[in-house]
Amino acid sequence: TQLLEQSPQFLSIQEGENLTVYCNSSSVFSSLQWYRQEPGEGPVLLVTVVTGGEVKKLKRLTFQFGDARKDSSLHITAAQPGDTGLYLCAGARNTGNQFYFGTGTSLTVIP
Amino acid sequence: ETGVTQTPRHLVMGMTNKKSLKCEQHLGHNAMYWYKQSAKKPLELMFVYNFKEQTENNSVPSRFSPECPNSSHLFLHLHTLQPEDSALYLCASSLYRLVSYEQYFGPGTRLTVT
Repeated sequence: TQLLEQSPQFLSIQEGENLTVYCNSSSVFSSLQWYRQEPGEGPVLLVTVVTGGEVKKLKRLTFQFGDARKDSSLHITAAQPGDTGLYLCAGARNTGNQFYFGTGTSLTVIP
Repeated sequence: ETGVTQTPRHLVMGMTNKKSLKCEQHLGHNAMYWYKQSAKKPLELMFVYNFKEQTENNSVPSRFSPECPNSSHLFLHLHTLQPEDSALYLCASSLYRLVSYEQYFGPGTRLTVT
């Protein structure tokens, strides 16, 4: 059983469409991060959320941390081909000093 | 160069070979990490070094042997690997070994064990 479940696993959409990907758990996290990993590269941090209910916006990307700090979502508005990549969420628990990663959502935006 | 670099980018090795992966960070960070990324699995933290001292080994088989000669360099020595060890091996660094500090990842070494 994965600590963090991401859905969908794969997503292929047309340029200009909106999409939401999810990161769910039964555990509570003190903070949660979202990364994007492009082919042939390592993950790059997009955002860190730390407060339940927190919403952060990064241009066309909107990140939300659930009120109970067990889940998170990433919404992309008007997707562009440059958004293509593997989106990973990672959560830090209240004890320990480690981030636990989800399996990722592979997004393809078709021009 | 800047950031975190890894060499080689691709490696094919037989099960009886010995090889090493190299990671170098130019960020002045004090903590360095090795991760394994396999298809359909979450990133797995393998080893952590903090100020050159190994602080974590997450039940990694002894055929993987890390080495951190200084805060800027990290190696992963490989010996007698199995086909299931084929994966992308990612190195990362952060200023300190605390989750509040951002981790910067290298591009990874794609390892294939034949």
